[in-house]
Amino acid sequence: RKEVEQDPGPFNVPEGATVAFNCTYSNSASQSFFWYRQDCRKEPKLLMSVYSSGNEDGRFTAQLNRASQYISLLIRDSKLSDSATYLCAVNHYNTDKLIFGTGTRLQVFP
Amino acid sequence: DAGVTQSPTHLIKTRGQQVTLRCSPKSGHDTVSWYQQALGQGPQFIFQYYEEEERQRGNFPDRFSGHQFPNYSSELNVNALLLGDSALYLCASSLSFGGDADTQYFGPGTRLTVL
Repeated sequence: RKEVEQDPGPFNVPEGATVAFNCTYSNSASQSFFWYRQDCRKEPKLLMSVYSSGNEDGRFTAQLNRASQYISLLIRDSKLSDSATYLCAVNHYNTDKLIFGTGTRLQVFP
Repeated sequence: DAGVTQSPTHLIKTRGQQVTLRCSPKSGHDTVSWYQQALGQGPQFIFQYYEEEERQRGNFPDRFSGHQFPNYSSELNVNALLLGDSALYLCASSLSFGGDADTQYFGPGTRLTVL
């Protein structure tokens, strides 16, 4: 079993839709959590860090559930420009090694 | 504010050759991590450098080595290239201490093709 798992998708949604991705992690020592966005053949760009209290940035909301060991990303009012692969990443206490999932591909259509 | 830079952007090598990839971290950052991303996969951690020393290492063979210079820039060296080394090599920079310490920012990557 992989340490960080994501549904690879693709998620095909119309513009304006709300879409949610989950990411599960197996190591309870995981301390920090992140969502990255990666466009085709480009580098991952940090979308948001995920805090225990949850956090929101415009149309994007991230949540952390430590008891069930998953993080989620909610995108409201999807735009065509949201089409990308969304990678979740975790690191463990006292390390700086990011462990990534394989990513979830989102395709927003008109 | 300069972001993370990497060179070259693309590279084609043949099996058995050696390659050196370069990275300059984001201004103010002191830590550099290297990742390998194969097609359709998430990035895999290779190693991390801080204060010119390898601080952590992932599950990669000794053919992969690195270096960090006093100005915090870094190199990744891969010897005896294999076809399976073809991938996007990503450099990420971060701060070792401070409020944003565990957040890593990626450079544009070097796409390595081994023939």
